[in-house]
Amino acid sequence: AQKITQTQPGMFVQEKEAVTLDCTYDTSDQSYGLFWYKQPSSGEMIFLIYQGSYDEQNATEGRYSLNFQKARKSANLVISASQLGDSAMYFCAMRGGNEKLTFGTGTRLTIIP
Amino acid sequence: DARVTQTPRHKVTEMGQEVTMRCQPILGHNTVFWYRQTMMQGLELLAYFRNRAPLDDSGMPKDRFSAEMPDATLATLKIQPSEPRDSAVYFCASGLVGSFAGELFFGEGSRLTVL
Repeated sequence: AQKITQTQPGMFVQEKEAVTLDCTYDTSDQSYGLFWYKQPSSGEMIFLIYQGSYDEQNATEGRYSLNFQKARKSANLVISASQLGDSAMYFCAMRGGNEKLTFGTGTRLTIIP
Repeated sequence: DARVTQTPRHKVTEMGQEVTMRCQPILGHNTVFWYRQTMMQGLELLAYFRNRAPLDDSGMPKDRFSAEMPDATLATLKIQPSEPRDSAVYFCASGLVGSFAGELFFGEGSRLTVL
């Protein structure tokens, strides 16, 4: 069974600061993928970044980076230079050998001007 | 710009009525997922298909929910009869199997309200 844990229900961050959203996971699969999705108030789910379990380097996509610590089973999302448009719900998710994408409970990020 | 299309975007219905939600996955994708999102339960996987075959629908209430893929361009989720507790946003997502790097692309969701 797969499990994703996001322990921060909400976060407030000053504009232009960096923010780290926590995510830990649990799986017995050797191969798996980790994902982050953004859900703005409009409701759509937007893919942000992916990390494979065998990838040695942390994934980066523009202002997003994934701090992958395999031994700790953590996959934190780092957003650099936060912007007002970053205010949204953020979901960490994992896909294992059974192909299902399992989501965490999400973190609501609010960027303060 | 390829995208997953869901209809209807919004649906208000009365308890006991049948509800059908439709999804057009991205052309070429061979997996389709149905998720339900509520405040209390978050994102729950209801069912998923690979190459139109149902692989797992263990997250779906079997007595009232059914999911099908009559062809590669259409996935349906049906609730009969609907109940107020079915009120939620239902997302369809599609992707490519065989690659963990294959993210799922989500539709905009169908917001269902059962009175």
